[in-house]
Amino acid sequence: DQQVKQNSPSLSVQEGRISILNCDYTNSMFDYFLWYKKYPAEGPTFLISISSIKDKNEDGRFTVFLNKSAKHLSLHIVPSQPGDSAVYFCAASEAYKYIFGTGTRLKVLA
Amino acid sequence: DTGVSQDPRHKITKRGQNVTFRCDPISEHNRLYWYRQTLGQGPEFLTYFQNEAQLEKSRLLSDRFSAERPKGSFSTLEIQRTEQGDSAMYLCASSTGVDEQFFGPGTRLTVL
Repeated sequence: DQQVKQNSPSLSVQEGRISILNCDYTNSMFDYFLWYKKYPAEGPTFLISISSIKDKNEDGRFTVFLNKSAKHLSLHIVPSQPGDSAVYFCAASEAYKYIFGTGTRLKVLA
Repeated sequence: DTGVSQDPRHKITKRGQNVTFRCDPISEHNRLYWYRQTLGQGPEFLTYFQNEAQLEKSRLLSDRFSAERPKGSFSTLEIQRTEQGDSAMYLCASSTGVDEQFFGPGTRLTVL
């Protein structure tokens, strides 16, 4: 059973526009959600996180939204830049255990 | 560089051989995690240490896998009698709490 799902394997966006990456989860006990970015041949790099008691967290160009009733979170990148092209993973945690989605490959077109 | 380091970065071995990977976490981090990642998938949790105590092992971790973290510092992951299905990227991460984890660059294992 896949507790964290990223249903879009890939996304292409024009430079300067908004990128929206989505993630769904099934376990209502998750208490923390995170987004990671991964470049080829590197480990994932932390991007932004949100506690389950919040519905929005913003850090520069990155904003994460959490809709607990829908068990859905999204990452908004505005404006998108070519350097944002990477694979993005969402992750959810319950206590110390982290469950990752399968990733969405974002391509920002110049 | 004070990030998480892993050694080796790449390992090619023949089926049936034993391999051992090392992870050096960020020095003040008491939590250490091992993950396995295959193509098209996200990192899959393997095991978790808080200091030197191994608190959880995934069902993915068969009895051919063993991990240690002596003295709560570096950690090793050993795979005995490797199989072709063990080919994957093995990632180590460390943290101080429930928020962000810092990942190492990974060890790519290829079993021939």
